[in-house]
Amino acid sequence: SQQGEEDPQALSIQEGENATMNCSYKTSINNLQWYRQNSGRGLVHLILIRSNEREKHSGRLRVTLDTSKKSSSLLITASRAADTASYFCATNLNSGGGADGLTFGKGTHLIIQP
Amino acid sequence: ETGVTQTPRHLVMGMTNKKSLKCEQHLGHNAMYWYKQSAKKPLELMFVYSLEERVENNSVPSRFSPECPNSSHLFLHLHTLQPEDSALYLCASSHPGQGRGGYTFGSGTRLTVV
Repeated sequence: SQQGEEDPQALSIQEGENATMNCSYKTSINNLQWYRQNSGRGLVHLILIRSNEREKHSGRLRVTLDTSKKSSSLLITASRAADTASYFCATNLNSGGGADGLTFGKGTHLIIQP
Repeated sequence: ETGVTQTPRHLVMGMTNKKSLKCEQHLGHNAMYWYKQSAKKPLELMFVYSLEERVENNSVPSRFSPECPNSSHLFLHLHTLQPEDSALYLCASSHPGQGRGGYTFGSGTRLTVV
């Protein structure tokens, strides 16, 4: 079953505004990651937040994690046209040392209007 | 380029054809993955390889056959596919032992089955 689910499915804002996307998941996780995908291309890793972290920043990105609510949010500040893309959250369940597959949501399609 | 290279970028094949997708990484990662991305569906994890051994097979039909000859190369052999197998096939790699960092994805192979 799907682990991560992003909300909203689509978001259109004006350039310069902030964009907030949310992700909910169902089971306990080791970490949660956010990725960006430009149309028809591969995914690009943006940021990883571990289950014992509550907030993380990377440039114009801010990610929060609330394990009690099993949710995360991605905030992009001062949006630019180049931020137009689909954004996915992915969860990593494995607390052991081996390789494991990430489980992705359906994504939020973000459009930045110039 | 992300460091994960997939070839070909586009592939059109008939249902009776046999073809292979190739993925190559020289990032020193020891885990590699195949994902399928279909329209309006979450990314589906197909196969996981860790240290060249397959560790997960999510009930993928046998018409998809993975091969990992070494830690830098991953193949997906395709045989008697169906039109519903048309999708973007993404390869990714990671190094789970290094603090569980994010995945590095290739740009994908756009597969069309006719």
